Parts: sequence; structure tokens; C-alpha cells
Amino acid sequence: KAGVTQTPRYLIKTRGQQVTLSCSPISGHRSVSWYQQTPGQGLQFLFEYFSETQRNKGNFPGRFSGRQFSNSRSEMNVSTLELGDSALYLCASSLGESTGELFFGEGSRLTVL
Amino acid sequence: QQQVKQSPQSLIVQKGGISIINCAYENTAFDYFPWYQQFPGKGPALLIAIRPDVSEKKEGRFTISFNKSAKQFSLHIMDSQPGDSATYFCAASPLELLTDSWGKLQFGAGTQVVVTP
Repeated sequence: KAGVTQTPRYLIKTRGQQVTLSCSPISGHRSVSWYQQTPGQGLQFLFEYFSETQRNKGNFPGRFSGRQFSNSRSEMNVSTLELGDSALYLCASSLGESTGELFFGEGSRLTVL
Repeated sequence: QQQVKQSPQSLIVQKGGISIINCAYENTAFDYFPWYQQFPGKGPALLIAIRPDVSEKKEGRFTISFNKSAKQFSLHIMDSQPGDSATYFCAASPLELLTDSWGKLQFGAGTQVVVTP
């Protein structure tokens, strides 16, 4: 069974640009969550989608957005990038009926210059 | 504000020794407490999880101890091996739907464990 796939794995952007990250969950998983990981703040929850609906969101500015498609694939977008957005963005999938095991991808490492 | 406090930040243990990592939480709505293991360049992977109806859960060399009244839980790695060298994260969340925090794990800051040969 294929794991969670995130693309791209690495990317470099400049301040003010926008970026879109993609996540393909494990087959059969309907929930996709996004987390930001930085050395200073650790792992922080961004948002969670289930059946194309955002069910929960963390405390991030509106520049951070996401969506989920009918095949459960998800994208997250960050607009007007700031230096502080440099981080590892992790996607996790689960069956979604309750808070159970999250299966994480290897992440997309974003560097903002 | 970190809802789950984890300590120590790092620890070094000799091969065969015991690694102990502690976590504390405040939100009494939390009823699912997983531990994740992360190797460099990889995403976190679930190691073991516990719910508050039991005080201890063991899987191989990994044991979670849970103290509901103190709102604390800990991970013990017995007979630590060099392959256990990784960053360990405790986390917590409500298990059930329809609560404010549903679906989002609150992670601790992480503990970097180094097991020396």
C-alpha cells in the first residue's frame, strides 16, 4: 500500500510569492491534515479536511489556505510568503472517523528568501 | 501557548539503557495520547498510543505510562538501541467528533534521543 505522497519535496521561493503544496493520501483515507514543523515552534496544526470539507483549522493567518478534492487529494496554498513561513510542511492522512493514527508524508521543505 | 509540555529537550543514553520522556497536559478534553517517532528527513510515524482508561500500555520495548489525575504521561524505551536514535514527540487530542479540538493533534516540542554504542 503506497504511503502519503507530498510534492514537491523541496522548494525555494522569495518573499511575496505564493506557493502550492500537494498531498496524496493513502488509498481509502478520507481525512487529510496539514502541519507546519519548524525548529522554534515545533509541529503546529494548520487544518484538516474530510470529504472535501474543512472540519478544523489552527491559528494561522488567512494567507494559509487549503482544499481537498473528491479523490481525497489535498493542496495547501500560502500567499504573500514571509521569511517566517520557511518550514517543513507535513501532510497526514487517516480514515477520519475519529482521531486515530495519522500517517505522515515526508513533507515539503519550503525555504523563503 | 503549548498545550502539551514535553521534557527533556534531549537525552543521551547508552545502548541497553532506558530512555524516559515525560509529557504533561492541561486540557481535560484530551483522551487520546500518541507518541510519534521521527527520523531526519522523514515524517513522524506513530510509535504507540494510549487512552485514559488504562494506566500503562506496552508494545515491545516501548511502554507508555499514564497518570490521569496528574495529567501526565511518559514514554519508556527499554534496552535502547542505536536505531532508536530519533526525535520523539508526544501528542494529545480529543478522540470524539464534534469538539473544538477534534482532529488536531497538539504536539509536544520533541525530545532528541541519542543512543550511544
